[in-house]
Amino acid sequence: EAGVVQSPRYKIIEKKQPVAFWCNPISGHNTLYWYRQNLGQGPELLIRYENEEAVDDSQLPKDRFSAERLKGVDSTLKIQPAELGDSAVYLCASSLAGTLSYNEQFFGPGTRLTVL
Amino acid sequence: KQEVTQIPAALSVPEGENLVLNCSFTDSAIYNLQWFRQDPGKGLTSLLLIQSSQREQTSGRLNASLDKSSGRSTLYIAASQPGDSATYLCAAPQGAQKLVFGQGTRLTINP
Repeated sequence: EAGVVQSPRYKIIEKKQPVAFWCNPISGHNTLYWYRQNLGQGPELLIRYENEEAVDDSQLPKDRFSAERLKGVDSTLKIQPAELGDSAVYLCASSLAGTLSYNEQFFGPGTRLTVL
Repeated sequence: KQEVTQIPAALSVPEGENLVLNCSFTDSAIYNLQWFRQDPGKGLTSLLLIQSSQREQTSGRLNASLDKSSGRSTLYIAASQPGDSATYLCAAPQGAQKLVFGQGTRLTINP
């Protein structure tokens, strides 16, 4: 069974440029998460989707970040314009939802963004 | 609000030693707790998920325990190997589906 797929793996851009990350979750997982991981820190949740609905986006900087999950499968996270402080690893995860006692999350390899 | 702390931040031990990584969390009303491994430049690999009804979960040389009353979890690694070198992250849920991570313990096993 394929795991969570993310692309690109690495991205280097200049500040003020736009950038987009793509995620394909594990087949059948209806919950999808985007995390940001700064160097030396644990991941922090940016947004969580239940199917195509964003149910928790309280940590998403909405002035420059946007996300979508069309048809409740693939998801795209966009930053426009990027700032130096956006340099980080962006991780996508997925899980089966609906059962509060079991929400094991599976992570993709991440996209390492460097903003120059 | 859930807060997760991991101690120590870094640990270096000789190959073959048994070791314990610690994780503490502030909100004990959790359904489960998850331990991950992260290799440099890579994503997170789920190691163990402990349900709130369990006290321990084992996978090979790894054993994780959970004590909700004290807000603590430990990851025990037996007979450590150089391939165990990685950063180990503990994550506890806040609410139903949001995971809150600790900063991780960077483990180095010296041959």
